[in-house]
Amino acid sequence: FILTQPHSVSESPGKTVTISCTGSGGNIVSNYVQWYRQRPGSAPTTIIYENYQRPSGVPARFSGSIDSSSNSASLTVSGLETEDEADYYCQSYDDFNHVVFGGGTKLTIL
Amino acid sequence: QLQLQESGPGLVRPSQTLSLTCTVSGGSIKSDDYFWIWLRQPPGRGLEWVGYIFSSGVTYYNPSLKSRLNISVGSSKKFFSLELASVTAADTAVYFCARGTMLTHDFDYWGRGTLVTVSS
Repeated sequence: FILTQPHSVSESPGKTVTISCTGSGGNIVSNYVQWYRQRPGSAPTTIIYENYQRPSGVPARFSGSIDSSSNSASLTVSGLETEDEADYYCQSYDDFNHVVFGGGTKLTIL
Repeated sequence: QLQLQESGPGLVRPSQTLSLTCTVSGGSIKSDDYFWIWLRQPPGRGLEWVGYIFSSGVTYYNPSLKSRLNISVGSSKKFFSLELASVTAADTAVYFCARGTMLTHDFDYWGRGTLVTVSS
């Protein structure tokens, strides 16, 4: 089971951006998908868990979704702020309980 | 508040064994609702899972590392450890420990990470 993300995306402050996470070799709806944000020099932090749930403290500007027709998950960030510039990783697991990460997407705020 | 802290040598010689410990404070490794995972991130690259362990001692290892890997829980249930044998430069990375939730496999608490360099 492999998760594929775009290497990079960019958008201007105040706009909306969507980062995709496409599954292959398995069904993405079979197991939960998480999204992590990682700023330089720091550990990742959870921004979406269980496909679309937000931990306390994560603003509603961040939303997650699953599309079974395209076997993909998406992270949407609206009202972009400069502090949103970071690397974003999707994560799930396979039928053998092996953890799977996407390759990561670098979000640049123009 | 649960906190995790990685510790161990920052430099390991090629062909030697990399050993790290993750100390858990503000809680313990007892509940079956969680597992305890090692992850790593080579410089400038993405995240990779190494392996994880339950309080019972049951382990799951990344198949690409399984033949060289051992993860264990300390008897006090306050730390867990990683041993990776026969290291090469490809094992150079920031190593993170984290807690995973059994139901969703998300990682809710992370250590700050520790850089391990494999070099002679």
